Amino acid sequence: NAGVTQTPKFQVLKTGQSMTLQCAQDMNHNSMYWYRQDPGMGLRLIYYSASEGTTDKGEVPNGYNVSRLNKREFSLRLESAAPSQTSVYFCASTRTVTETQYFGPGTRLLVL
Amino acid sequence: DQQVKQNSPSLSVQEGRISILNCDYTNSMFDYFLWYKKYPAEGPTFLISISSIKDKNEDGRFTVFLNKSAKHLSLHIVPSQPGDSAVYFCADNLPMFSGGYNKLIFGAGTRLAVHP
Repeated sequence: NAGVTQTPKFQVLKTGQSMTLQCAQDMNHNSMYWYRQDPGMGLRLIYYSASEGTTDKGEVPNGYNVSRLNKREFSLRLESAAPSQTSVYFCASTRTVTETQYFGPGTRLLVL
Repeated sequence: DQQVKQNSPSLSVQEGRISILNCDYTNSMFDYFLWYKKYPAEGPTFLISISSIKDKNEDGRFTVFLNKSAKHLSLHIVPSQPGDSAVYFCADNLPMFSGGYNKLIFGAGTRLAVHP
């Protein structure tokens, strides 16, 4: 049982390049989330998917898009990366609204 | 607007002593609070939680206290061990029943260092 997995672990991009961060969970959870964590700050919600087929904006959605491919997978896309998107990105999932979220190991992204 | 504040960015404690990590919040009603622990290069892992209807929850060496009148919660680790060295995040968990998801509002974290 792998829990929540994320790929890649680390990525360097040049300004303007695009990339997709992948996330998958094997816990049959309904809701999935993307967060970013910056130094001296807590995790901030970028986008979430309450269930398969639905996505919605979180606190800091600008510059990102998401796709809930199926119940297991939730990807985050940067269409044109900017240095301000240098961060650590975490994916999370939860079964119901009252249960805790389980996090993946993170993707460290550096945009030059 | 819900906020969670952890005003101590770091804490250093000797092994065997008590570690106390603090967290303040705003605007709670049906809130449910969580503590997450994070090691370097790993994702946050759930540690312990407390419902707003309780004032204490204990799990082994970890106890969380909730003071609703002061809108304050604290995590006590007794006795502290070197393996407890990590960043601890306090989070306010708001179930959004109509939207079918739960909203986590995180504090900035406190880095705990436990020295032998």
